[in-house]
Amino acid sequence: GENVEQHPSTLSVQEGDSAVIKCTYSDSASNYFPWYKQELGKRPQLIIDIRSNVGEKKDQRIAVTLNKTAKHFSLHITETQPEDSAVYFCAAKGGNEKLTFGTGTRLTIIP
Amino acid sequence: NAGVTQTPKFQVLKTGQSMTLQCAQDMNHNSMYWYRQDPGMGLRLIYYSASEGTTDKGEVPNGYNVSRLNKREFSLRLESAAPSQTSVYFCASSPRSGPNTQYFGPGTRLTVL
Repeated sequence: GENVEQHPSTLSVQEGDSAVIKCTYSDSASNYFPWYKQELGKRPQLIIDIRSNVGEKKDQRIAVTLNKTAKHFSLHITETQPEDSAVYFCAAKGGNEKLTFGTGTRLTIIP
Repeated sequence: NAGVTQTPKFQVLKTGQSMTLQCAQDMNHNSMYWYRQDPGMGLRLIYYSASEGTTDKGEVPNGYNVSRLNKREFSLRLESAAPSQTSVYFCASSPRSGPNTQYFGPGTRLTVL
């Protein structure tokens, strides 16, 4: 089955700097890669996703890149703000139609 | 639209007790899912239902059963709870299987003593 690895597990950045979270996946048939943000005690919420026929997608300060050859994808947050502090999860939907999640990155924005 | 709703929000069980977690969605979605979330382990799929009338095992199905009662509702049952099932349980739904966004419910925090 699919295996998703996510790094780093914790990340602290100064407010206004950029943050990058990286994920790798194992199933070459995976075709959908969402990113979720989870604030403390809340449900995961989708912030951006990318499909396998696209290499990059951007939504304001958030962007995701996908390298199918290397089987890795990354989340980029620019001009970070205190409200960006949360746990971020990557996920990949493999050929078995199931969504496999990474283990999460706790992002802390330092004012 | 309420989206995805779950009941109860919190539950404490003793080892060996049974209970059913309820999930409902009002978005006319075909696919529904149950996950558990443990510290440091992300979200792991327990069971899913690609469409009404079908269910299938996920990554960690042992100790659980599910029922897709109708298109709106998908319940998760613990027949004999164990401390290892202490976790936060999330239900999710998506329009259909395939590369589609999953929308999560608020979660149920379950403690098994």
